[in-house]
Amino acid sequence: QVQLQESGPGLVKPSETLSLTCAVSGYSISSGYYWGWIRQPPGKGLEWIGSIYHSGSTYYNPSLKSRVTISVDTSKNQFSLKLSSVTAADTAVYYCARQRSSARLDYWGQGTLVTVSS
Amino acid sequence: QSALTQPASVSGSPGQSITISCTGTSSDVGGYNYVSWYQQHPGKAPKLMIYDVSNRPSGVSNRFSGSKSGNTASLTISGLQAEDEADYYCSSYTSSSTLVFGTGTKVTVL
Repeated sequence: QVQLQESGPGLVKPSETLSLTCAVSGYSISSGYYWGWIRQPPGKGLEWIGSIYHSGSTYYNPSLKSRVTISVDTSKNQFSLKLSSVTAADTAVYYCARQRSSARLDYWGQGTLVTVSS
Repeated sequence: QSALTQPASVSGSPGQSITISCTGTSSDVGGYNYVSWYQQHPGKAPKLMIYDVSNRPSGVSNRFSGSKSGNTASLTISGLQAEDEADYYCSSYTSSSTLVFGTGTKVTVL
């Protein structure tokens, strides 16, 4: 069974960089598929942040592209998200997920709340 | 990229059928058969219910079905049950090789 688990600081100061990691178990990232990040501000809808192919190719939401970096570490079977220059508007539950080629997200992490506040 | 348009809320009585629409453009919903639907209960991660417009993952009830016409996709829940009360989101692959979500629909079982 494929499982994903997000980890990282729950509190980030404005203007700093948000960093999260998603550990994958039950499937080897190097075997294929895309691996993505999605966020959901409190009480609001889902927003796709971006994804990375197992080979390292990345795809980002145009509205966040200038601030986002997604990377993969196949040796640790995990992938990471960095979002720079954060503001209160970046406060959200951040999910990681496995993304198939048809863009469906078939396995999700439980999500982690990141609050941007001084 | 703009979010796909969904009705804010849909309601129905137990046993009834309801349909949720998801409207996009020819650059996303209308251009590809890559529409998915997710169910999200409060405090939980979204769950994939439909993929590639009308396919159900293993374990998803056949009361859930999907379709598409032009730039609008639809999710139908038949035989509505109390456990179906949740938020539902559509998503689509786009011509920019990105993914876009719908605005979300709250389903209420009366």
